[in-house]
Amino acid sequence: GNSVTQMEGPVTLSEEAFLTINCTYTATGYPSLFWYVQYPGEGLQLLLKATKADDKGSNKGFEATYRKETTSFHLEKGSVQVSDSAVYFCALSERQAGTALIFGKGTTLSVSS
Amino acid sequence: NAGVTQTPKFRILKIGQSMTLQCTQDMNHNYMYWYRQDPGMGLKLIYYSVGAGITDKGEVPNGYNVSRSTTEDFPLRLELAAPSQTSVYFCASSYWDNNQPQHFGDGTRLSIL
Repeated sequence: GNSVTQMEGPVTLSEEAFLTINCTYTATGYPSLFWYVQYPGEGLQLLLKATKADDKGSNKGFEATYRKETTSFHLEKGSVQVSDSAVYFCALSERQAGTALIFGKGTTLSVSS
Repeated sequence: NAGVTQTPKFRILKIGQSMTLQCTQDMNHNYMYWYRQDPGMGLKLIYYSVGAGITDKGEVPNGYNVSRSTTEDFPLRLELAAPSQTSVYFCASSYWDNNQPQHFGDGTRLSIL
């Protein structure tokens, strides 16, 4: 079945450090890939998405590239801020199960000043 | 813009009690979903609906029921609350296309004691 694996956290960084959160997936077809972010006490918000191979999603300085050959969708940011502290979820969606999302377990990012 | 609204935000139940978690969306989305989020486990799909009058089970449906009488509303019912149902519940909605992101409510934190 389809699944998403992302790196275990927590990830602790200093402000302005480089961030990478790894995400790999297994899927039977051609999924769309997403990164969602969850701030404390809130619901999930879409951070970025990519819908086909080699697409790059970007938003708020975050980027991720859909790599079909390595089945990966790693999240990167060149310079993190304290306000980026949150839980990040990698997810995929296919045209089955009503396009419901399949999530990774989430990676907690903590950025200190 | 209200988006996806969930009520209540918090609730404590006794074992064996029943309750309904409410979810409504004002974006005219066809698809609606219920997920539960347990610590370190990501989000798991409970039930989903592709339109009014149509519902289907997700990955973890046992102990829950849903209905979808209107496009806007998708309530989740717990008939006999059990400690294993202590979790944070998220409702989400989206358009029919799996390339479109899901929009999440702020969640209901439920404790069964």
